[in-house]
Amino acid sequence: QSALTQPASVSGSPGQSITISCTGTSSDVGDYNDVSWYQQYPGNAPKLMIYDVSNRPSGVSSRFSGSKSGNTASLTISGLQAEDEADYYCSSYTSSTTWVFGGGTKLTVL
Amino acid sequence: QVQLVESGGGVVQPGRSLRLSCAASGFTFSNYGMHWVRQAPGKGLEWVAVISDDGSNEYYADSVKGRFTISRDNSKNTLYLQMNSLRTEDTAVYYCAKDFHRLDCWGQGTLVTVSS
Repeated sequence: QSALTQPASVSGSPGQSITISCTGTSSDVGDYNDVSWYQQYPGNAPKLMIYDVSNRPSGVSSRFSGSKSGNTASLTISGLQAEDEADYYCSSYTSSTTWVFGGGTKLTVL
Repeated sequence: QVQLVESGGGVVQPGRSLRLSCAASGFTFSNYGMHWVRQAPGKGLEWVAVISDDGSNEYYADSVKGRFTISRDNSKNTLYLQMNSLRTEDTAVYYCAKDFHRLDCWGQGTLVTVSS
């Protein structure tokens, strides 16, 4: 149950687009579409932003989008805003009927 | 609205036990699988366990297998996590989360500190 690999940090200026990658294996990300992304502000609970690779729950801005290619999933945030500064985590269902999270990415809006 | 409220956290000595609860409201609890996820201070999220909607299936992370037990009481709309043989590395905020596949709603978490 090794954690999915995410960059520790990414940054971007307001209005720009950024992409956060999430690399797993053929036993998790590569074999299942149960890939989700969560946003977490310090001291708060995580919030679901993307599920099933590319679906947005109601109420989540269309600036957030997800995709997957092979063993790597990606979260893209377009039109970056100051309020997007937070930690982001990916997760995936695995072949062992368990779930695994990525190590988290701190997004800084410059 | 959907609400999950965890309780039962606190300070406990290594080797001792603790039971966490998660009270659910605003949705039909018995229709959803439920998870426990934890976050050590300053660290990332770690998946702990999941239980199916009817309680018939449970799955655990290797780090807690054999020590933790997830259970539920659908008549009380409550999820539990029995934690035995606690270790210092179990110190974390424990969250419960709704839905077997997408963890679409989370509680505010309860802090468990394992320390002598």
